[in-house]
Amino acid sequence: DVKVTQSSRYLVKRTGEKVFLECVQDMDHENMFWYRQDPGLGLRLIYFSYDVKMKEKGDIPEGYSVSREKKERFSLILESASTNQTSMYLCASLTGGFNQPQHFGDGTRLSIL
Amino acid sequence: GIQVEQSPPDLILQEGANSTLRCNFSDSVNNLQWFHQNPWGQLINLFYIPSGTKQNGRLSATTVATERYSLLYISSSQTTDSGVYFCAVGLLMIYNQGGKLIFGQGTELSVKP
Repeated sequence: DVKVTQSSRYLVKRTGEKVFLECVQDMDHENMFWYRQDPGLGLRLIYFSYDVKMKEKGDIPEGYSVSREKKERFSLILESASTNQTSMYLCASLTGGFNQPQHFGDGTRLSIL
Repeated sequence: GIQVEQSPPDLILQEGANSTLRCNFSDSVNNLQWFHQNPWGQLINLFYIPSGTKQNGRLSATTVATERYSLLYISSSQTTDSGVYFCAVGLLMIYNQGGKLIFGQGTELSVKP
């Protein structure tokens, strides 16, 4: 079974802090994704990566950056956290051919105070 | 870009009832999936179904790719079926390596005992 692991289930940080959210997958998937989910807005794609050191902006990349130094790990970085980044963050992975299911981690509920 | 519309947005059922959720999409896709998000926020993959019909217990799904829609059937619903059901469609975009999934807004299902 595919396992996507997010480093924290709940996280509380302060405004202005640099925040790292980590995601690791164990199935050698080429594609990895970061989403945020807010009530009434559904899932919105922040960034995705289709290979090591490759990244593409999603629909709402402002205020975020990502890092993919190893195939199994995809990190989301909030450069200077703000209260409007309080949200549920979900990581996912998918094989390169796009012909299999996408699998999600359990999510990180991030609160910025 | 590809548009994904789900209907109905909300659904309340009595335990034991059957239901059909619909997903319409605006263009040809490589990947179509149905997910269930449980009350704890976890997104569980139900079906990877870019075409055809699949069944898993009380759940089944049918995708008619030529007509650009997919249906999720829930029979003999149980309270544990409650949550949000998402349809997501995907398209390979980048050198046949990467791409992204577009999510619908979801159907919120509540099954009453």
